[in-house]
Amino acid sequence: DTGVSQNPRHKITKRGQNVTFRCDPISEHNRLYWYRQTLGQGPEFLTYFQNEAQLEKSRLLSDRFSAERPKGSFSTLEIQRTEQGDSAMYLCASSLARDREATEAFFGQGTRLTVV
Amino acid sequence: GIQVEQSPPDLILQEGANSTLRCNFSDSVNNLQWFHQNPWGQLINLFYIPSGTKQNGRLSATTVATERYSLLYISSSQTTDSGVYFCAVTTGGGNKLTFGTGTQLKVEL
Repeated sequence: DTGVSQNPRHKITKRGQNVTFRCDPISEHNRLYWYRQTLGQGPEFLTYFQNEAQLEKSRLLSDRFSAERPKGSFSTLEIQRTEQGDSAMYLCASSLARDREATEAFFGQGTRLTVV
Repeated sequence: GIQVEQSPPDLILQEGANSTLRCNFSDSVNNLQWFHQNPWGQLINLFYIPSGTKQNGRLSATTVATERYSLLYISSSQTTDSGVYFCAVTTGGGNKLTFGTGTQLKVEL
C-alpha cells in the first residue's frame, strides 16, 4: 500500500444523475477525510470519519451528499441529483491519530467531477 | 473560523532563483502542513511543521507558532517546482485542515 487511492479519476455525468466515488486510505490510518476543491480555490473540508464513525460534517455537505465508511476501511461519497455547481475536484485524505491529536494527512489523486 | 492567508498570490521566477512563500493564520494551530499541488491536482506533502524548522533538499520551512506564521523557502528553483503551494492548518481539537489561499508559482527557463 503506497498511498491513498481514489476512483474514478474522472467522472462526467449529466445533471440530475447520481454519482459515487470511492476512497481507499493508507491501510493503517484510522481517520479519513473528504474535501472539495473548485477551480482557483483551496480545498474545503466536507466530512471526516474516525474508523467507521462519521464525526463531523461541513455545512457544505448538503442533503444530496452522503458519505459512508462501513467497515472503517474504504469510504464512498455519493452525490444524488447532481447539479452543475457540484463540478469540482473531490479529494480524499487519511491520517493516523489517537484521541484528539492532530497528525499529518496524506491525500489521494482526487476525482474530478464534471456535471453537464 | 480560522483565516489562513498566503502571499504572494502569484510568483514568477527564473530557474535557479530563490523564493520565500508566507502563510499567516489568525488563531493558534496544532498542525500545519505545506503542500505542492501538481498540474494533475494531487496534493504532495512537503512538510508537517506545527513549529520549528525543517529542511528537505532544496526546500525548507519554518513555523513560528507564537507569531502565527510559517515560511516556505525554495532555493535554486527548477521548472518542476511550478504549481500551486498551499499551507493548511488544524486548530483546537484539530482534525480538519483549513487551507490557505495558495501561491501560484511559475519557474521559467
